[in-house]
Amino acid sequence: TQLLEQSPQFLSIQEGENLTVYCNSSSVFSSLQWYRQEPGEGPVLLVTVVTGGEVKKLKRLTFQFGDARKDSSLHITAAQPGDTGLYLCAGPTYSGAGSYQLTFGKGTKLSVIP
Amino acid sequence: EPEVTQTPSHQVTQMGQEVILRCVPISNHLYFYWYRQILGQKVEFLVSFYNNEISEKSEIFDDQFSVERPDGSNFTLKIRSTKLEDSAMYFCASSDQQRSYEQYFGPGTRLTVT
Repeated sequence: TQLLEQSPQFLSIQEGENLTVYCNSSSVFSSLQWYRQEPGEGPVLLVTVVTGGEVKKLKRLTFQFGDARKDSSLHITAAQPGDTGLYLCAGPTYSGAGSYQLTFGKGTKLSVIP
Repeated sequence: EPEVTQTPSHQVTQMGQEVILRCVPISNHLYFYWYRQILGQKVEFLVSFYNNEISEKSEIFDDQFSVERPDGSNFTLKIRSTKLEDSAMYFCASSDQQRSYEQYFGPGTRLTVT
């Protein structure tokens, strides 16, 4: 069973600060997805990283995939209250017939205080 | 922007009753999934479906569960005889053929079994 460990579990910061959250596994993944989930809603896909060492930017969010494709990080620059939410990483495992099942981490619950 | 939709948003049922959760995946997607999230826990894979067949199912997806694509747009999850422990958020997801590991989630159905 492939597991994804996310850290920290909770993070509370002031508006304008920078932060990094981590997603680690002992297994190699072909890609990793980052999602954001609001209470009572479904996960919303933010980005997919595929290549080892890949860096992707989404406005103030920077996602990096580790060289060995076992870990990933999300860095937020100048956090805003609107960044508050649960950030999930998910790794796919091939199920056959072109289908994948996603394994999710427990998430990092981010709170940005105005 | 195309999105996955789910109905109902909230379903309350008594233990032992049958429930059907409905999903309309993104129209050009070919892969369909169900996940669940018990309150405060991780998102867990239940089943994947492609070409009118189950591709993969988890240990959670026992004989009480079934999935169906009754027409060209809907994808359903049926629980035959609900148990208290089936109370959870149920998410439908879909993905296209090119990047089937990249899954788009619906808003979820909150199932409460009393």
